[in-house]
Amino acid sequence: QKEVEQNSGPLSVPEGAIASLNCTYSDRVSQSFFWYRQYSGKSPELIMSIYSNGDKEDGRFTAQLNKASQYVSLLIRDSQPSDSATYLCAVNMGGGFKTIFGAGTRLFVKA
Amino acid sequence: EPEVTQTPSHQVTQMGQEVILRCVPISNHLYFYWYRQILGQKVEFLVSFYNNEISEKSEIFDDQFSVERPDGSNFTLKIRSTKLEDSAMYFCASSEALLDEQFFGPGTRLTVL
Repeated sequence: QKEVEQNSGPLSVPEGAIASLNCTYSDRVSQSFFWYRQYSGKSPELIMSIYSNGDKEDGRFTAQLNKASQYVSLLIRDSQPSDSATYLCAVNMGGGFKTIFGAGTRLFVKA
Repeated sequence: EPEVTQTPSHQVTQMGQEVILRCVPISNHLYFYWYRQILGQKVEFLVSFYNNEISEKSEIFDDQFSVERPDGSNFTLKIRSTKLEDSAMYFCASSEALLDEQFFGPGTRLTVL
């Protein structure tokens, strides 16, 4: 069974702190990895994509990928109350036509 | 900025009725997807569509479901005979290339009574 696993949380951090979100996946041949943010009642909003091992930074967000460990993470620096949402890890499986989402991690940023 | 649009935003139907959910993907995108999200649960892949045919489908996407690109802009999901358990948010997404970032529409909330 090809799966994407995330800690459901909630993860609570104070404003200005770093939030660290983690995700593991089961399909060794996965090639593309995404982080989405979803506010309650809204659709997933793309934050970042990452395709190769290492770090990728975009503003306050850094995605990290380790294919050997089948692990992808998202760091949010200087967390803001507006970052409070559910963060979804998504992994493109196998040949690429199927994307599997994790159940999401709920993040609360306390002012 | 280009975006994926979906209509209607909310559809209420009786069990056993047919529904068609509509999506307009981003204009230069070639790959199209449908997902569903039951309230409180995770986003689930239904189907991907490329070059006017289904590329892959999940176990959820049974004979009651079908997809179509009837013209150059619309992409539709049809549920032939709705069941109570089909009540969910349905999201359309599109991407420019295979393995590329997918952009989601705002969703259609389907309520089956």
